[in-house]
Amino acid sequence: DGGITQSPKYLFRKEGQNVTLSCEQNLNHDAMYWYRQDPGQGLRLIYYSQIVNDFQKGDIAEGYSVSREKKESFPLTVTSAQKNPTAFYLCASSQPSGWETQYFGPGTRLLVL
Amino acid sequence: AQSVAQPEDQVNVAEGNPLTVKCTYSVSGNPYLFWYVQYPNRGLQFLLKYITGDNLVKGSYGFEAEFNKSQTSFHLKKPSALVSDSALYFCAVRDTRDDKIIFGKGTRLHILP
Repeated sequence: DGGITQSPKYLFRKEGQNVTLSCEQNLNHDAMYWYRQDPGQGLRLIYYSQIVNDFQKGDIAEGYSVSREKKESFPLTVTSAQKNPTAFYLCASSQPSGWETQYFGPGTRLLVL
Repeated sequence: AQSVAQPEDQVNVAEGNPLTVKCTYSVSGNPYLFWYVQYPNRGLQFLLKYITGDNLVKGSYGFEAEFNKSQTSFHLKKPSALVSDSALYFCAVRDTRDDKIIFGKGTRLHILP
């Protein structure tokens, strides 16, 4: 899993609650990404950031928010507006070019109580 | 639309036999193609990529992939399968419009002892 850490490994959310997933990297990468993985659907991009203090929506950004205040950190908040949050969430980082390899963290599994 | 397809949800191969996991793509311009592997409850690990040059790309763990421009394919291959190769394999392609990576839905590879 390279130099990317995600925490917690498992996270439980109650109805109406916002929860935040942590992602930290020590690879000195400029770009960071959040993906959602559901069975049979592959990876879908939620948000990405190519530089500090800047980020863009991916394909399924509704109900999620992010911040990028530091190069090393890209936390993802799953808000109460996300009605179907149960999934496996993967963070990745790379240099910001389309040919660069993405390095993935170990993932966080979010479950709804 | 730019896309990547993995036509097989699952591939079963006997240990010691050659294996192929199929991938086709549709992009405008030059394709940048990737293969990643995912073990249960883990993040994705990079296997190999094609950017330019030799159509046969060699990667980690004895895997290789052949870029075929006329068939728009990038199939993953290994001459002799191991039980430990059992995992979920993702093909990915760079979206030439915005440099984001598009992932296929994944192919589950089962190597039978």
